[in-house]
Amino acid sequence: DQQVKQNSPSLSVQEGRISILNCDYTNSMFDYFLWYKKYPAEGPTFLISISSIKDKNEDGRFTVFLNKSAKHLSLHIVPSQPGDSAVYFCAASEDPDDSWGKLQFGAGTQVVVTP
Amino acid sequence: DAGVTQSPTHLIKTRGQQVTLRCSPISGHKSVSWYQQVLGQGPQFIFQYYEKEERGRGNFPDRFSARQFPNYSSELNVNALLLGDSALYLCASSPGEGLGSRNEQFFGPGTRLTVL
Repeated sequence: DQQVKQNSPSLSVQEGRISILNCDYTNSMFDYFLWYKKYPAEGPTFLISISSIKDKNEDGRFTVFLNKSAKHLSLHIVPSQPGDSAVYFCAASEDPDDSWGKLQFGAGTQVVVTP
Repeated sequence: DAGVTQSPTHLIKTRGQQVTLRCSPISGHKSVSWYQQVLGQGPQFIFQYYEKEERGRGNFPDRFSARQFPNYSSELNVNALLLGDSALYLCASSPGEGLGSRNEQFFGPGTRLTVL
């Protein structure tokens, strides 16, 4: 049962424009959400996270928005750069202090940034 | 500083065989987790070890087992391999046990296991 869903397998965006990646979840017990980026032949790299007590978290070009009532989160990348071309995973956890390893991942979205 | 290292990089086995995958965490990290990533899907949690004790287990059969050594390195063992075990196996380490921006997980490059 897929509790974290990324319904867009791919996204193509022009360099300099905004990339918006979406993620939906079904488990209302999820309390902590993360985004990871993965290049081929490398492990996922942590990008940004958000706790359920917030609705927005920014880190440079990356902003994550959380809508708990809709069970939806999104990652905005502004401006998009060619180096952002990678697979992006959304992940969630029920209790960040207790279930560290029990991250539930989405299937990923392949982002391609074109010149 | 060396990141999380995993060995071997690639592995080919036949059905019914047993396999051992190895992971060395970042120096100072005490927590190691294992994930299985099947092609086209996101990573799926298998185990977490913290201070050499199992602290979490995902929905995997008993054919999967793991352990953590005093130096915090870890091994993942899979017995009686099935074709469906073909996947990328990822190891992640972090300083402590909980989540949070100060306890970021660092993933290794993974071991690609092919079962024929």
